[in-house]
Amino acid sequence: GENVEQHPSTLSVQEGDSAVIKCTYSDSASNYFPWYKQELGKGPQLIIDIRSNVGEKKDQRIAVTLNKTAKHFSLHITETQPEDSAVYFCAASILEGGNKLVFGAGTILRVKS
Amino acid sequence: GAVVSQHPSRVICKSGTSVKIECRSLDFQATTMFWYRQFPKQSLMLMATSNEGSKATYEQGVEKDKFLINHASLTLSTLTVTSAHPEDSSFYICSARDVQAGPRTDTQYFGPGTRLTVL
Repeated sequence: GENVEQHPSTLSVQEGDSAVIKCTYSDSASNYFPWYKQELGKGPQLIIDIRSNVGEKKDQRIAVTLNKTAKHFSLHITETQPEDSAVYFCAASILEGGNKLVFGAGTILRVKS
Repeated sequence: GAVVSQHPSRVICKSGTSVKIECRSLDFQATTMFWYRQFPKQSLMLMATSNEGSKATYEQGVEKDKFLINHASLTLSTLTVTSAHPEDSSFYICSARDVQAGPRTDTQYFGPGTRLTVL
């Protein structure tokens, strides 16, 4: 089955700096890669996603890149703000296989002001 | 749009009792809902896939007789933890897909979660 690895487990950045979180997946059939932000005691919130027919997607300060050959994808947050502090999860799924998400272990992002 | 609610948000029960958690899609229809469990400082683990009008599909290692799932309508799925024990204490989260969202039908929208504590 699919296995998703996520790094780093914790990341501290200064406000205004960029943050990058990386994930690798094992199943080459995976074709959908969402990123979720989870604040303490709350459910995950989708922040951006990408499908395998696209190499990069951007939404304001957030971008995701996908390298299908290497089977890895990354989340980039620019101009970080204190409210970006949260746990971020990557996930992978096969859309035709019921879209069951397999999550990475999560990254605790701390933005210091 | 695409709001998912859960009820209750927090529940404390005695060992041996059963607890029901509701997951509702408030402004869209969801033929498929998913149930996850998340232990403290850990990732989300898929427990089961809930399909409207049919039996749920459970992931390996998840006891279907202990975690009863019912998806009776396009907007409601319930998870019942039967004969709960302290090891069942966890954060239970549901998600739903909007089947009428066109290219966004792949997106899973998550509920706010239910914190279960079994004494």
